[in-house]
Amino acid sequence: EAEVAQSPRYKITEKSQAVAFWCDPISGHATLYWYRQILGQGPELLVQFQDESVVDDSQLPKDRFSAERLKGVDSTLKIQPAELGDSAMYLCASSAGIWGQGPYEQYFGPGTRLTVT
Amino acid sequence: DQQVKQNSPSLSVQEGRISILNCDYTNSMFDYFLWYKKYPAEGPTFLISISSIKDKNEDGRFTVFLNKSAKHLSLHIVPSQPGDSAVYFCAANSGGSNYKLTFGKGTLLTVNP
Repeated sequence: EAEVAQSPRYKITEKSQAVAFWCDPISGHATLYWYRQILGQGPELLVQFQDESVVDDSQLPKDRFSAERLKGVDSTLKIQPAELGDSAMYLCASSAGIWGQGPYEQYFGPGTRLTVT
Repeated sequence: DQQVKQNSPSLSVQEGRISILNCDYTNSMFDYFLWYKKYPAEGPTFLISISSIKDKNEDGRFTVFLNKSAKHLSLHIVPSQPGDSAVYFCAANSGGSNYKLTFGKGTLLTVNP
């Protein structure tokens, strides 16, 4: 069964350091999402890609966060510098939906648990 | 302003009985709704969805009901099994071409043997 791959699964970093997460979506899925989930909350969208283009980054803290999906396949989310408040689960999801059409179901990877000390 | 609300943080049910998880929404533009299940240290797993043109969708032990006039949906699990113990998230999509999902805070379901 096709799955969304993410690495690393766990990351501990000190504040002010740089950290990067990688995601490989389900093959053929044009839409890729990065979410942040804080304990006790639902996932919140950080950035959405359609192929290699960003279609929504309205909730991405652009002073420290960046995301790219250069060839429209895998993606990297970077934080520099990391802050204590960035400790959370970072989830990647993909969807077969294309511009103007469904389906709407998003499929999630296992996530990266980030701890900033 | 939370547009998708799951007002019960937790629910405990006996094995074999029915579990009913509830979700309310405020945005009338939402036209597609999904339920996800999440185990600790894993990503959410898609369970079942429903379009706003329907009022019920069933998949095995899982049934989702949608009441548009009340802006309310519910997930029924019958019969409940201990392996169903997880956090359940309700999510909604506002249509258009963005496919952005808005999630509730989740309900922790515990199914006791």
